Amino acid sequence: DGGITQSPKYLFRKEGQNVTLSCEQNLNHDAMYWYRQDPGQGLRLIYYSQIVNDFQKGDIAEGYSVSREKKESFPLTVTSAQKNPTAFYLCASSTRGGMNTEAFFGQGTRLTVV
Amino acid sequence: AQKITQTQPGMFVQEKEAVTLDCTYDTSDPSYGLFWYKQPSSGEMIFLIYQGSYDQQNATEGRYSLNFQKARKSANLVISASQLGDSAMYFCAMREGRITGGGNKLTFGTGTQLKVEL
Repeated sequence: DGGITQSPKYLFRKEGQNVTLSCEQNLNHDAMYWYRQDPGQGLRLIYYSQIVNDFQKGDIAEGYSVSREKKESFPLTVTSAQKNPTAFYLCASSTRGGMNTEAFFGQGTRLTVV
Repeated sequence: AQKITQTQPGMFVQEKEAVTLDCTYDTSDPSYGLFWYKQPSSGEMIFLIYQGSYDQQNATEGRYSLNFQKARKSANLVISASQLGDSAMYFCAMREGRITGGGNKLTFGTGTQLKVEL
């Protein structure tokens, strides 16, 4: 079945450590996105990529890094520079079609700093 | 300024009743798309319905309809005949066109938590 797989589902990190969240899709989508979700704040865009080897900062990119070496993969690294990384992280993908192109989401990764 | 505003943090509705979830948006781009997503407690995001800025008629998908009032910049979601399984968080989102947007990205509101009661 086609879809987006995020792993792990739950992740614990010690303060000062970098951690990488995985996102893989087999939908053959060109565009991929990372969102962060905090209670009461909805989804906020961290980074997005429209094509392999290219990505742009979203609204809250500080303390995060990404890579897009393969079409199907868009890993997110939460660095030690991110001051408040505890949140729910959602990865999404879409075609680069028209305005009505919906985004498909993974199941999310819940990151907790301990 | 917020591009997507959802003013109802929480809503209650009785089973089998209809409910309207509010969404207002702000854009200067004449071309844009509006989406509604449902997020159950499990966390996944489920696409419900889409409305394009040039669409002449309100979108409908089964029990979901979108009350699109372009002049007022509102795109309210109407759920008819509510079911217990409709209890979830609902998000309104917008994709802007090439003039002000770019990257196919979606901008989300803060969401409305809907609880369906017996």
